[in-house]
Amino acid sequence: SYVLTQPPSVSVAPGQTARITCGGSNIGTKSVHWSQQKPGQAPVVVIYYDIERPSGIPKRFSGSNSGDTATLTISRVEAGDEADYYCQVWDSTSDHLIFGGGTKLTV
Amino acid sequence: EVHLVETGGGLIQPGGSLRLSCAASGFTVSNYYMSWVRQAPGKGLEWVSLMHNLGGTYYSDSVKGRFTISRDSSKNTLVLHMNGLRAEDTAIYFCARHHGDHGSWFDSWGQGTLVTVSS
Repeated sequence: SYVLTQPPSVSVAPGQTARITCGGSNIGTKSVHWSQQKPGQAPVVVIYYDIERPSGIPKRFSGSNSGDTATLTISRVEAGDEADYYCQVWDSTSDHLIFGGGTKLTV
Repeated sequence: EVHLVETGGGLIQPGGSLRLSCAASGFTVSNYYMSWVRQAPGKGLEWVSLMHNLGGTYYSDSVKGRFTISRDSSKNTLVLHMNGLRAEDTAIYFCARHHGDHGSWFDSWGQGTLVTVSS
């Protein structure tokens, strides 16, 4: 079945740029969504359809998707961005929704 | 305002059955794609099952044949029937609404209900 691979952790200093990758075979041909989950809370989408940002999500959050890697980029990272981040796709071959293993962002 | 509330979790012995409910308000469940997603303690998100607006269903390999997703339109509720529960089914179970079809993102989540499978 389709597998999404994320780094378990990413650490950045405040004000720097964080890049969280999501690897998958030809993931560039799929639509990728990114969610943020803080402790004890339900996830919240921060990027959908590779590059789209929901209302209320800061412009510091952006996404890209090409080849075998999708990337969530958080510019000018703040302490409040510390959370777990998950990528998500629908695999039409298996008719399964797939999550990446999640990346813990430490600021 | 869209609101999802899961109930029905609890402590259950291995091999037992449980019925989870997800009561929706602010929209009609039967008009949307809806999923159950679970999260084991300290672990990542795992998709469990999806029901689309026409009633079609999909299941992850780990629960297929044991879990059944359904909906009660009269109560505007999404339901997950869980049979043959195993220790590895222990998790917080969230229901979530898809913004569009199965390839779309989740635009609303409930707060989750904890299922603990243990003797």
